Order: sequence, then structure tokens, then C-alpha cells
Amino acid sequence: AQSVTQLDSHVSVSEGTPVLLRCNYSSSYSPSLFWYVQHPNKGLQLLLKYTSAATLVKGINGFEAEFKKSETSFHLTKPSAHMSDAAEYFCVVGPNAGGFKTIFGAGTRLFVKA
Amino acid sequence: DSGVTQTPKHLITATGQRVTLRCSPRSGDLSVYWYQQSLDQGLQFLIHYYNGEERAKGNILERFSAQQFPDLHSELNLSSLELGDSALYFCASSVGGLAGNEQFFGPGTRLTVL
Repeated sequence: AQSVTQLDSHVSVSEGTPVLLRCNYSSSYSPSLFWYVQHPNKGLQLLLKYTSAATLVKGINGFEAEFKKSETSFHLTKPSAHMSDAAEYFCVVGPNAGGFKTIFGAGTRLFVKA
Repeated sequence: DSGVTQTPKHLITATGQRVTLRCSPRSGDLSVYWYQQSLDQGLQFLIHYYNGEERAKGNILERFSAQQFPDLHSELNLSSLELGDSALYFCASSVGGLAGNEQFFGPGTRLTVL
């Protein structure tokens, strides 16, 4: 079975400060992990993905995530927040050989203060 | 623009009615996924089709059904609609159907049941 937990429903940061959005996963198989972003009234856009290559994954807009198997975590980070980063972020466990269901975390809403 | 199209953008209907949502995947993508996004349930995976065949089922109600046609477009049929079915319905597509495949999301269809 697979599951994903986003540890914070809301995160608030000041512009120019680091962002950390936390995600823990559970998977019986080697997981495929993704972070998606959803801006208000928009569809979802892929930020980055992990598929068992490098454990540090770089994505778009300066975001990156580190896969830590020992901690079953896949936290999303960005060194310096921008106002345009304000959105909802979803950690996702993708389909794998053990089952084909995509599972979304509950989402973390990021607020960026000027 | 992800290349995934969904019609209609908005749909307003009454309880007990039946509606059909349509999705056209990106050119070359064989997989189509359907999701429901509501305030109380978050993003829920409904169903996944790969090259015309059902690949996985998620939290899809028996009142809902889907299919993928030979030209790879997909339709989600919702019947005996209830107030609680009001939600944003997303379609996504990917090249394959297994691990590591990035899903590209359409803009969604907002369904309002009155």
C-alpha cells in the first residue's frame, strides 16, 4: 500500500526567506514521488519528480527536493521565496509496479509575506 | 498550457441529473487519469485508463463511470447527481502508465450541482 502525508496544511514565510514544505511517504515498492503546484483557479503543474536516480532533485523555479529513504521523506525546499510562489503544493506518490494508483497529499498552502 | 484539454469549463446542473465530462490528452499520451477536487476531500484519484483499458480504480462512486475511446480521448459520466458531487474535476495524461511518468493536467471542469 502507498500513502503520503504532508505535515503542514499552511506555511507562511517572508519574501526572500527559505521555504520548506514537508512530505512523508509510505510505499511497499520503490516509489515515484512528485511535487505539483496549483495556483489559484489554475490546473496543476509539475515542479519536480524523483524516480530512483539522483536523490537530490532539482525542479523549476528554483525548487528542489531530497529523497531520504531512511526517513521516508521527500521535503520540498527553495532558498529564497518569491511572492509568485504563493500557491498550494501537493506531494504525490505515483503509480508503480505494485499498483497503479496515484495518491495526492492533502496539500500545503504557502503564503508569502512582503 | 499543458496540452490537455477539458470540456466544458463550467457545468451547472440539478440533483438527479447526468452529465458527461470530456478530456483530450496530449498528443502521443496513452494514459488518462481522472481526479476530483473538493474542499472537504482534497484531490482524489478516480480512475486511470491506459490505451483504452482500465488500469486502476480509486475512490470512484458506482454512479460514476468512465471510458477511453480508440482516439484516446476520455469521458467521465456522472449520474444521479447529488449536491456533494459539486467539485472541480481534473483530467491528466501521461505517455505511459507506470512509475515515473509525469502527469500533465488539464484546466479542469467545475461542476456545480444545485
